[in-house]
Amino acid sequence: QEQLVQSGSDLKRPGASVKVSCRASGYPFTTHAIYWVRQAPGQGLEWVGWINTANGNPTYAQGFTGRLVLSLDTSATTSHLQINSLKTEDTATYYCAREHLTDNVFDLWGQGTVVSVSS
Amino acid sequence: DIQVTQSPSSLSASVGDRVTMTCRASERISTYLNWYQQRPGKAPKALIYGASNLQSGVPSRFSGSGSGAEFTLTISDLQPEDFATYYCQQSYRKPRTFGRGTRLDI
Repeated sequence: QEQLVQSGSDLKRPGASVKVSCRASGYPFTTHAIYWVRQAPGQGLEWVGWINTANGNPTYAQGFTGRLVLSLDTSATTSHLQINSLKTEDTATYYCAREHLTDNVFDLWGQGTVVSVSS
Repeated sequence: DIQVTQSPSSLSASVGDRVTMTCRASERISTYLNWYQQRPGKAPKALIYGASNLQSGVPSRFSGSGSGAEFTLTISDLQPEDFATYYCQQSYRKPRTFGRGTRLDI
């Protein structure tokens, strides 16, 4: 069964760092890009970055460069999202999603990880 | 980045109705347009890819059309579980940008 399972919710102080994981199973991990999408409370979907699982090359959305780190642990079929220097406006649910190889659609999603940033 | 604009931002309907919502891209994207449904507290779910192709397991009351820069999602015979927020996404170029969503209310 194909699935993406994310790590649990987290509460952080402003200025701290958080690391969210996304473990893939049931399909060849390195054949599908992994996207990270965030959703602030009551808001829409916003992509924050994606990582090429074949070579580990990350791409970040404008506005996140310098604070965001996407990485892979290929042996554990896991992608990690680390956000440094957290701000209160980073409070959101963070989703990982797999992009289908040929149809270019996010056909598999993680369950979401709530990151709350508050002093 | 390609901008994607959805309209309306919200829509009210009743069970059994037929509704249509629109997505416009800031440039021509052929048929590289996807639709997602998101129910409250849940992850988004892919409904349609390539503008008009139904994702596996999605009921046939959902349909998509369009090409170039203008696209529509139509839901026929609305069911209670269809009341959700719908997002379109362009897949013509990375990054795969989303629209702001159309909330479908009873």
